[in-house]
Amino acid sequence: GQNIDQPTEMTATEGAIVQINCTYQTSGFNGLFWYQQHAGEAPTFLSYNVLDGLEEKGRFSSFLSRSKGYSYLLLKELQMKDSASYLCAVRDGDYKLSFGAGTTVTVRA
Amino acid sequence: IAGITQAPTSQILAAGRRMTLRCTQDMRHNAMYWYRQDLGLGLRLIHYSNTAGTTGKGEVPDGYSVSRANTDDFPLTLASAVPSQTSVYFCASSDTPEAREQFFGPGTRLTVL
Repeated sequence: GQNIDQPTEMTATEGAIVQINCTYQTSGFNGLFWYQQHAGEAPTFLSYNVLDGLEEKGRFSSFLSRSKGYSYLLLKELQMKDSASYLCAVRDGDYKLSFGAGTTVTVRA
Repeated sequence: IAGITQAPTSQILAAGRRMTLRCTQDMRHNAMYWYRQDLGLGLRLIHYSNTAGTTGKGEVPDGYSVSRANTDDFPLTLASAVPSQTSVYFCASSDTPEAREQFFGPGTRLTVL
């Protein structure tokens, strides 16, 4: 399996920026993914990186450095609805996903 | 409405009983997956199917079996449930194993007593 580490919890204020880091070790690499999961709901896809660099999609950006085994998800202009768990996942050489334990982000007014 | 459905939504089961969790998708996706999600451990892959008629083992396959008789359905069976199988089970699908996105069903909350 893969070894994927991300912080357990983060708290930020509405309107602020939060960066969620993810480090990984993998046998074979076919992409890094970020999913959002609200409490009691299914995960939903946020972003995908397969090459080094930054991918931006609205208020969310994701960065990847394959040589460092490192990614981050950047959430800008935080809103209350962004309170959720954020899951980092790595796809291995067999195209199977392994997930980190998730980072719970709490947005406070 | 296109998507993935799972049944039941939740279930309480006595240890030793047999249980099948159902998963159906209407997106004509080739690949389907079963995950379990436990607090502090994240999502773990149980079994997967890259196309109808084929299945493979994931990270935690013991105690579970799957079948993929057609494109739409991917049932997960617990032959003899044990308390450690208490979890939330998510079914997911993707157009191909290489696709950018996996789509997740709403989940089944299973409690084994």
